[in-house]
Amino acid sequence: GAVVSQHPSWVICKSGTSVKIECRSLDFQATTMFWYRQFPKQSLMLMATSNEGSKATYEQGVEKDKFLINHASLTLSTLTVTSAHPEDSSFYICSANGLAGAGNEQFFGPGTRLTVL
Amino acid sequence: GQQLNQSPQSMFIQEGEDVSMNCTSSSIFNTWLWYKQDPGEGPVLLIALYKAGELTSNGRLTAQFGITRKDSFLNISASIPSDVGIYFCAGLDQGAQKLVFGQGTRLTINP
Repeated sequence: GAVVSQHPSWVICKSGTSVKIECRSLDFQATTMFWYRQFPKQSLMLMATSNEGSKATYEQGVEKDKFLINHASLTLSTLTVTSAHPEDSSFYICSANGLAGAGNEQFFGPGTRLTVL
Repeated sequence: GQQLNQSPQSMFIQEGEDVSMNCTSSSIFNTWLWYKQDPGEGPVLLIALYKAGELTSNGRLTAQFGITRKDSFLNISASIPSDVGIYFCAGLDQGAQKLVFGQGTRLTINP
């Protein structure tokens, strides 16, 4: 149980284009989803917290107009990197908290590697 | 802001050896979590700790939640090649429902 999927697993795009990454909880309903970014050999950095049906809460220094988050249902959250630039190349990972019964654990997706040329 | 100090940053050991890593915090956390991340993958939850002083095992892994709620350690006994990876500790900020991660411990095992 508690499986989180991400799509795509990797994407290469040209500078200036937008990229959408999906995060799905497959076997549970996620009240809250989190989006992280991880640069090589570094830890995970929280970008934003997303609650179903409401606006995401962004961490300090994360541009909300650049990283658009939509959490339209209890099983799906999307992150859109708008007008991507090479410095946005990174490993993007989502995680999800379940409804009552899943405790306080966050279950992570497999990540999406974004390369912006 | 909140920070977790995880050590060591890297370990090079022989197969069969035991491993110990720890995390300390300047803040109190009510939940500590230990994750393992393989290259190109997301972190996988190993052990969750909910009570100060709690000692929990999962196979060859043992983790403890420090009595002050500001530290935790993870031990791996009799390491095997598939233990290679990066281990992260994380404390749950209950109020914000956010995880604060340590810097990670990269484990390398020589066969």
